[in-house]
Amino acid sequence: EAGVTQFPSHSVIEKGQTVTLRCDPISGHDNLYWYRRVMGKEIKFLLHFVKESKQDESGMPNNRFLAERTGGTYSTLKVQPAELEDSGVYFCASSLQQTTEAFFGQGTRLTVV
Amino acid sequence: AQSVTQPDIHITVSEGASLELRCNYSYGATPYLFWYVQSPGQGLQLLLKYFSGDTLVQGIKGFEAEFKRSQSSFNLRKPSVHWSDAAEYFCAVSPPGGGNKLTFGTGTQLKVEL
Repeated sequence: EAGVTQFPSHSVIEKGQTVTLRCDPISGHDNLYWYRRVMGKEIKFLLHFVKESKQDESGMPNNRFLAERTGGTYSTLKVQPAELEDSGVYFCASSLQQTTEAFFGQGTRLTVV
Repeated sequence: AQSVTQPDIHITVSEGASLELRCNYSYGATPYLFWYVQSPGQGLQLLLKYFSGDTLVQGIKGFEAEFKRSQSSFNLRKPSVHWSDAAEYFCAVSPPGGGNKLTFGTGTQLKVEL
């Protein structure tokens, strides 16, 4: 069974550009989560989808971040325009139910220069 | 607001030595507690979790953790470390009742000397 897959694994963009990160959850997992780790700090929750609906987006830092999960399958996280402080590792996770184990992807390392 | 503290940013141990990674949490009630590991190039992998019951929980790869309510701690231990245990370890909590909205600590980077 394939795990959670994230694309790309690394991305380097200039300040002001747009970047889209993609997450493919484990097949059948209705719950999908985005987290972010800024360098040297803790991993922080961004948002939670149940199928295609945003259940909790309390961790989204500002309106430059847009998450979508059309059709309730894969999800994208767009940053537009990117700022230097957006650099970090973005993790995606999925779970079958909200209370069952969440499986994490390997993360996307985003560097804004 | 809830928080998780991992006081050790880096720890170095010799292969075969015992290991203890510290984790303290601040929460209004007893949360659910987790330890994750991230090996180089890999995603976060769940080592073990505590919900209720026996305060000593066993996990994968020979790890165990002990929940101490009086100290608000959930320290991770392994009796004998292997070189393949070199990785970053994260303690995390979620609200009582579960859910995957996790609050993580800053992580502890473990180096194993041969």
